[in-house]
Amino acid sequence: QVQLVQSGSELKKPGASVKVSCKASGYTFTNYAMNWVRQAPGQGLEWMGWINTNTGNPTFAQGFTGRFVFSLDTSVTTAYLQISSLKAEDTAVYYCARGELRYFDWLSSRFDYWGQGTLVTVSS
Amino acid sequence: DIVMTQTPLSSPVTLGQPASISCRSSQSLVHSDGNTYLSWLQQRPGQPPRLLIYKISNRFSGVPDRFSGSGAGTDFTLKISRVEAEDVGVYYCMQATQFPLTFGGGTKVEIK
Repeated sequence: QVQLVQSGSELKKPGASVKVSCKASGYTFTNYAMNWVRQAPGQGLEWMGWINTNTGNPTFAQGFTGRFVFSLDTSVTTAYLQISSLKAEDTAVYYCARGELRYFDWLSSRFDYWGQGTLVTVSS
Repeated sequence: DIVMTQTPLSSPVTLGQPASISCRSSQSLVHSDGNTYLSWLQQRPGQPPRLLIYKISNRFSGVPDRFSGSGAGTDFTLKISRVEAEDVGVYYCMQATQFPLTFGGGTKVEIK
């Protein structure tokens, strides 16, 4: 069965960096996109962008450029989200979500499986 | 960006009764390929989101048939025919027609 298992909660100080992992299993990793979604405390869902699991090419939504990095290790079918220069407003649950990719416009048609989420808390 | 607006914000429902959630997009979600990439997601308390419906009306694997989606263009509806206790949570619509992908603000379904 398809599973996305994310790394555990993180508590970081402002200015530090964090790396969240998303381990995929139960399917061919490179056949699907990996998307990242943020959910601030008590708030809704916000799409951060996605990474092409074939090429490693990332695409970021507005507001998620500069301090955010998407990466892969296909040998262990894992996607990563790294955030640098953390701020208090980065406090959120971060989800990875598998995307069924449309190859003609490079967007995911649907997010069919989600990781359990990783809470990143930024506090001094 | 396409703005997704959901109503109501909250929907108190009696067990066994129907519930309906509306989602309106700021522009048509019909893609140039002819498909409409509108999904519905359920987020139970303390859980990650779960895909219920994709391309307006297609139930995802394992989703009970009491959930149904309808609509076209800019107006979409999720219906729960008979609400059960396990349906409590927040429901989101999401468009995947145009970059960037965007979500509605969510509708909380709770039991009266």
